[in-house]
Amino acid sequence: KNEVEQSPQNLTAQEGEFITINCSYSVGISALHWLQQHPGGGIVSLFMLSSGKKKHGRLIATINIQEKHSSLHITASHPRDSAVYICAVPEGGSEKLVFGKGTKLTVNP
Amino acid sequence: DTEVTQTPKHLVMGMTNKKSLKCEQHMGHRAMYWYKQKAKKPPELMFVYSYEKLSINESVPSRFSPECPNSSLLNLHLHALQPEDSALYLCASSQRGSPSSGELFFGEGSRLTVL
Repeated sequence: KNEVEQSPQNLTAQEGEFITINCSYSVGISALHWLQQHPGGGIVSLFMLSSGKKKHGRLIATINIQEKHSSLHITASHPRDSAVYICAVPEGGSEKLVFGKGTKLTVNP
Repeated sequence: DTEVTQTPKHLVMGMTNKKSLKCEQHMGHRAMYWYKQKAKKPPELMFVYSYEKLSINESVPSRFSPECPNSSLLNLHLHALQPEDSALYLCASSQRGSPSSGELFFGEGSRLTVL
């Protein structure tokens, strides 16, 4: 079974700072998901990536398949970015996702 | 339309009640999922429907009964629940059944409280 580790668990930043959240997994995968969840809310899919780098607005996700590691970066962070960010990978060839425990980000004005 | 719509947003029910949660998507996705999420925990998979057939049941108690009437709709029927079943229930869909092949789209969730 794939093990997913995220770091840090909690992160507090000032508005405008550059944020990095890391995700490591134990078994080779074909794709990795980054998800965002605001307090009390549903989950939004930010990225699904299988290689290289993807960018959407101020968010950038990278993955290194050989090192089994992915990072999510937020440039020019804003208080509305405050949320839990979750990394998830498929379990084997199944329909299941293995979720990391999430990183709680708080961005102060 | 890239939305997954869940109703109701909030539900309070007694242990003897029967209620249902509903989920709808119009993206032509052929896989739909029910997840349960307790506070400060990641989601836990409950059921997966792939092409309208139940493909995964994660040993969920029979007081939860899923139903997929058609490719756009997914229901979760609730009966004789326990207070520990109180949680956020999330529906999701993807184009196909494998999370390796496509993005997952989640609904806002139905927050269930069992008294």
